[in-house]
Amino acid sequence: NAGVTQTPKFQVLKTGQSMTLQCAQDMNHEYMSWYRQDPGMGLRLIHYSVGAGITDQGEVPNGYNVSRSTTEDFPLRLLSAAPSQTSVYFCASSYSRAGDTYEQYFGPGTRLTVT
Amino acid sequence: TQLLEQSPQFLSIQEGENLTVYCNSSSVFSSLQWYRQEPGEGPVLLVTVVTGGEVKKLKRLTFQFGDARKDSSLHITAAQTGDTGLYLCAGGGDTDKLIFGTGTRLQVFP
Repeated sequence: NAGVTQTPKFQVLKTGQSMTLQCAQDMNHEYMSWYRQDPGMGLRLIHYSVGAGITDQGEVPNGYNVSRSTTEDFPLRLLSAAPSQTSVYFCASSYSRAGDTYEQYFGPGTRLTVT
Repeated sequence: TQLLEQSPQFLSIQEGENLTVYCNSSSVFSSLQWYRQEPGEGPVLLVTVVTGGEVKKLKRLTFQFGDARKDSSLHITAAQTGDTGLYLCAGGGDTDKLIFGTGTRLQVFP
C-alpha cells in the first residue's frame, strides 16, 4: 500500500493564480480531510469528506474548493491564490475504529508559497 | 469553539533526561490522540486513549488521559535523539473531525 500520496511536493504561485493540490489514498478509507499547517498554529481543518459525493467545510475553508468523486481521490483547489495561503498542506484519510475514534493517516505534505 | 493548548511550546533537552508534555482543554473529548511529526513529513499516529484515567505505554513513552477527559499528558523517559520532532495532540468528538493542539517542538541533543 502506498498509503496517502500528495502531489506536488513543492509549489510556488503568483498572487491570483489557481491550482489544484492532488491527494489519493489506497486504503479504502471513507473519510478524507485537508489541513493547513502554519508555525505555532498546529493543524487547521480546511475541508473534509465523509464519503464519495459528500464534502463539508472545516475551520478555514475560504479560498478553497474540494470535490470527492471517488473514494480514492480528494483534490483541493485554490481559486485565486493569496499570500495568506502560503503554508504546508496535508491531506489525511481515516476510518472509524471502535466507536468514535478516527485515526488519521497523513500524506507527506505540499509546501506552497504564494508571492 | 474547542481549543487544545499544548505546553511547553518548545523543549530542548539532553539525551537521557525525562520530560512531560501537556495537552489541555476546557472541553470534553471522547478520545485523545498523540501524533509525532518529523521535518518534511506528515504526522504519524502514536496512540489513542479513549477512557478517562487511561494510561498507555509505548516503550519509553507514557500517555495519560485525564479523568474528566479534558486533558492529556505525554511523558518520555530517558529521551533519545530519535525522539526529536513535533508532538501534536488531537481531540476527537462524535464526528470524524479532530481538533489539533498547537504542538510541542522537542529537540534532544546527544
